[in-house]
Amino acid sequence: EPEVTQTPSHQVTQMGQEVILRCVPISNHLYFYWYRQILGQKVEFLVSFYNNEISEKSEIFDDQFSVERPDGSNFTLKIRSTKLEDSAMYFCASSELVGTRVDEQFFGPGTRLTVL
Amino acid sequence: DAKTTQPPSMDCAEGRAANLPCNHSTISGNEYVYWYRQIHSQGPQYIIHGLKNNETNEMASLIITEDRKSSTLILPHATLRDTAVYYCIVKAGTASKLTFGTGTRLQVTL
Repeated sequence: EPEVTQTPSHQVTQMGQEVILRCVPISNHLYFYWYRQILGQKVEFLVSFYNNEISEKSEIFDDQFSVERPDGSNFTLKIRSTKLEDSAMYFCASSELVGTRVDEQFFGPGTRLTVL
Repeated sequence: DAKTTQPPSMDCAEGRAANLPCNHSTISGNEYVYWYRQIHSQGPQYIIHGLKNNETNEMASLIITEDRKSSTLILPHATLRDTAVYYCIVKAGTASKLTFGTGTRLQVTL
C-alpha cells in the first residue's frame, strides 16, 4: 500500500535555529496536513494545505511556521526560530480529492524534533 | 466539531472482541464518526467511519445508535498488535482537520 514518508526521523536542533521537516505525501493525494504531538499529550492539528495554499490553520501555527510544496512531490514544514516548546513529534498526512478513500487521512511515521 | 467522550483505558483478552464505546451527544446532522488508532507513538491510522448506518471493513465494525449520540467500535478478534490508543472523532466534511482527544488506551493481553 502507498505510504506517506517523512525525513528525517529525528532532528535535534539548538533553540533559535531554523528547521525544515520534509514529507512526501502519497502521489495522487491533493490535500496535505501537519499535526504535532508533544510527548504524552494529544495529537494537535497545525495546518492543512490544498492547491498551493493554506486551507486552515490552528492557533499554534503562528508566524514562526510556514509550509510549502516546493515541487510535485515534497511538502515541507519550516519553523523559523525554534523554541524549547516546539519539541514534539511532527506528523504529515495526506488525503485524496476524489476516489474511494477520500475520507481517510494517511499519516506518515513522524519526525521527532528535539530543541535544546 | 462535536466533542466526544471515551473511557481512558480498557483491557481485552486476545482472541476476544474488543468493544470501544464513544459518546458524541452533540453531534450534528452533517457530522461523521471516525475512528483512528495510534500504536505506540506511530502516526495515527484510519480504521473506519460512518454517518448513521453500521459499517464494517476488514479491520473493524462500527455500530452507531439510532439517535447518533453514541457509537461502538468493535474489533472482532483482538490480537496483541491491536494494543493502541483508539480515538473517536466527529467531524464534517472530508478534507478537514482531525481533532484528537485523549482516546481509549486498549491493552490486549494473553
